[in-house]
Amino acid sequence: DGGITQSPKYLFRKEGQNVTLSCEQNLNHDAMYWYRQDPGQGLRLIYYSQIVNDFQKGDIAEGYSVSREKKESFPLTVTSAQKNPTAFYLCASRPQGVAGELFFGEGSRLTVL
Amino acid sequence: GQQLNQSPQSMFIQEGEDVSMNCTSSSIFNTWLWYKQEPGEGPVLLIALYKAGELTSNGRLTAQFGITRKDSFLNISASIPSDVGIYFCLIQGAQKLVFGQGTRLTINP
Repeated sequence: DGGITQSPKYLFRKEGQNVTLSCEQNLNHDAMYWYRQDPGQGLRLIYYSQIVNDFQKGDIAEGYSVSREKKESFPLTVTSAQKNPTAFYLCASRPQGVAGELFFGEGSRLTVL
Repeated sequence: GQQLNQSPQSMFIQEGEDVSMNCTSSSIFNTWLWYKQEPGEGPVLLIALYKAGELTSNGRLTAQFGITRKDSFLNISASIPSDVGIYFCLIQGAQKLVFGQGTRLTINP
């Protein structure tokens, strides 16, 4: 079945370590997004990509990096420069031309020890 | 930038009650989407609205966005325990998608 797969579901990291969260979609969607969600909060945009080999900063890009080498994949790296990385991370995608119908992955919960 | 205000922030209701929540924006939008997020999961699309003033239903859910295209509501009739979660509205701004802050629904059995 088509969908978006995020991994890992849970991740623990020591301070000072970089971690990479995987996001893979087989929906043939052009646009992909990374959001951060904190307890009791809404979704905040980290990075987005509308086409392969191109991506744009969102509202809270500092301390994060992404790549978009393949249409299916949009990994997010949480670097040691991110001051408060403990959060729930959501990846999403949508096709071109369909206004706003985002499909989400199941999320990755990152905890910094 | 675009602002999207969602209310109420939280709701505590009894099972069987009807629920109503809404979103208002500072600008006009032609597409409004409503999502539900259960704890520890990603949001799932409930209803997509493309035509102002038209009522759209999905089972016990009903949604509409207004003629002014600056607001939308979502109603849930006869709530059941599995309706618990956070409900988000979403609109498409200039090159970005804008989410409401979410309405957290809690149901007492």
